[in-house]
Amino acid sequence: QVQLQESGPGLVKPSQTLSLTCTVSGGSISSGGYYWSWLRQHPGKGPEWIGNVFYSGSTYYNPSLKSRVAMSVDTSKNQFSLNLISVTAADTAVYYCARTRGPTVTNRVFDYWGQGSLVTVSS
Amino acid sequence: DIVMTQSPDSLAVSLGERATINCKSSQSVLNSSNNKNYLAWYQQKPRQPPKMVVYWASTRESGVPDRFSGSGSGTDFTLTISSLQAEDVAVYYCQQYYSTPPTFGRGTKLEIK
Repeated sequence: QVQLQESGPGLVKPSQTLSLTCTVSGGSISSGGYYWSWLRQHPGKGPEWIGNVFYSGSTYYNPSLKSRVAMSVDTSKNQFSLNLISVTAADTAVYYCARTRGPTVTNRVFDYWGQGSLVTVSS
Repeated sequence: DIVMTQSPDSLAVSLGERATINCKSSQSVLNSSNNKNYLAWYQQKPRQPPKMVVYWASTRESGVPDRFSGSGSGTDFTLTISSLQAEDVAVYYCQQYYSTPPTFGRGTKLEIK
């Protein structure tokens, strides 16, 4: 059974960088052809996809966030990470990491999720 | 981006009764080359992450009870719970994965009447 766990600061100051790491257990991040995702959820809204990363380092980002997002993977630690720069209060949300599966690089569903990490942007 | 619109916003159903949740996409999510609808449903219980219950519009995820069923094609979809159980209280989201970015609806809150 694959499990994912987010970690990182719960409070980030405006204009700084939000950094989160997702640790995967119960399976290798390098196997199975899966992409690994970050999503976020604002209160009372549906999840918002941030981006995907493959174990090779290939990335795909939501165009609405692309200019501020970077994702990376560390296969030796079975982890992947999210950096979101120049944050504002609008970036306050619960951030989830997830595993994706699907027939193509872009047509994918989210089948395993972490428990979520609340990140608040405030001075 | 494809906009996903769910209705109703909230729904109260008696235990053992049928619950029906609707989802409409702003453009078709049917791939004519494989005749598959790129539509998934998720269940989110309080203080938990979303859990996928249906994909390809009508395929139940492994381990999901058969009282959950999905239907529809093109732009109009439905998630039906045939006999509501107490553990089904949650917010339900639809998601399209036909085009990038994948997008979710705003959710339907299902409660017990």
